Amino acid sequence: GAVVSQHPSRVICKSGTSVKIECRSLDFQATTMFWYRQFPKQSLMLMATSNEGSKATYEQGVEKDKFLINHASLTLSTLTVTSAHPEDSSFYICSASRGQNTGELFFGEGSRLTVL
Amino acid sequence: AQSVTQLGSHVSVSEGALVLLRCNYSSSVPPYLFWYVQYPNQGLQLLLKYTSAATLVKGINGFEAEFKKSETSFHLTKPSAHMSDAAEYFCAVTIYGNNRLAFGKGNQVVVIP
Repeated sequence: GAVVSQHPSRVICKSGTSVKIECRSLDFQATTMFWYRQFPKQSLMLMATSNEGSKATYEQGVEKDKFLINHASLTLSTLTVTSAHPEDSSFYICSASRGQNTGELFFGEGSRLTVL
Repeated sequence: AQSVTQLGSHVSVSEGALVLLRCNYSSSVPPYLFWYVQYPNQGLQLLLKYTSAATLVKGINGFEAEFKKSETSFHLTKPSAHMSDAAEYFCAVTIYGNNRLAFGKGNQVVVIP
């Protein structure tokens, strides 16, 4: 149980276009989802916390208008990278909480974004 | 705020030898501690977790970790390394009621045949 799926796993887009990444909790309801960015050979950087039915909370330094997060249901959160540029190329990972307040999160497989 | 420190970004270990990855935490309240493993181009998989129960925690794939409050440590060990243990390992910390994890910088484990 506790499976989180991300789609797409890899995406290549042209500079200036927008890309949407989906994060789904397949067998549980996720009241909170988190979005991370991971640069090569580095740790995960928390970008934002997504709560179902409310606005996402962004970490300091993360552009809200660049990275649009929507958590429309208890099983789906989306990250849209708007007007993507090559510097947005990265590995994006989502995680979901079952709301047990134990800190245990379930991670998606990650999405590799390459902006040409 | 909570934080963890992982030293030594790259760790080389011979197949069959002990795997030891160090993690020290900082927290003003009792922490919840986690070790995750990441294989190339994949998400994170939970190896084990400490949430204020037994201080010696056993996880998957033969890994275990011991919570030592006096040393503010949560080191990960495995008695005998296997080639399949080659991966990136992350230590993470949070506190009760907060699902925002703070991750360490990670250890890239290389297993030498």
